[in-house]
Amino acid sequence: AQSVTQLDSHVSVSEGTPVLLRCNYSSSYSPSLFWYVQHPNKGLQLLLKYTSAATLVKGINGFEAEFKKSETSFHLTKPSAHMSDAAEYFCVVTYTGRRALTFGSGTRLQVQP
Amino acid sequence: NAGVMQNPRHLVRRRGQEARLRCSPMKGHSHVYWYRQLPEEGLKFMVYLQKENIIDESGMPKERFSAEFPKEGPSILRIQQVVRGDSAAYFCASSPGDATQETQYFGPGTRLLVL
Repeated sequence: AQSVTQLDSHVSVSEGTPVLLRCNYSSSYSPSLFWYVQHPNKGLQLLLKYTSAATLVKGINGFEAEFKKSETSFHLTKPSAHMSDAAEYFCVVTYTGRRALTFGSGTRLQVQP
Repeated sequence: NAGVMQNPRHLVRRRGQEARLRCSPMKGHSHVYWYRQLPEEGLKFMVYLQKENIIDESGMPKERFSAEFPKEGPSILRIQQVVRGDSAAYFCASSPGDATQETQYFGPGTRLLVL
């Protein structure tokens, strides 16, 4: 069975400092991995997606994530946080042959001025 | 190109009533997915449909919930005889074609409150 674990439910950073949101997955097959962002009372927006191409994936708004098979991790990073980055972030996994996405429990990112 | 549309955005129902949630996929998309988000939780898959067919309903509760995606018109998620535990945000997503790992694009959600 596929699952995804987001290691931190809340992360707080200061504006201009780096962001690290951690995600580990378990899957019996080669996974596809996604990061989505959800702003309060809004829908979900895709930040980036990994599907077995380059292991370092660049997304929108300066975010990137690195797929590390040996660690079964797909951590999300950004060099410098902006106030507008404050939101809920979801790590998501699926695998070949299935369309249903499996979501992590989410990490709430706070950005302090 | 308009995104995924959902209506209503907010829905209030009393226990025992029916809730109907509608989803119009992005133009050119023929695959629709429904997810439910309970308070303080991630989204949980409910059902995957193509036009006139339910492909995967492994996440749907066995009773009171049904979904359809007719040849014409939006996809409908129907909840009969709602209970307080049905209060949640319901998100619809759509995707364009036949690649199983293609990106799903999400709508803004319908927030259902059961009194």
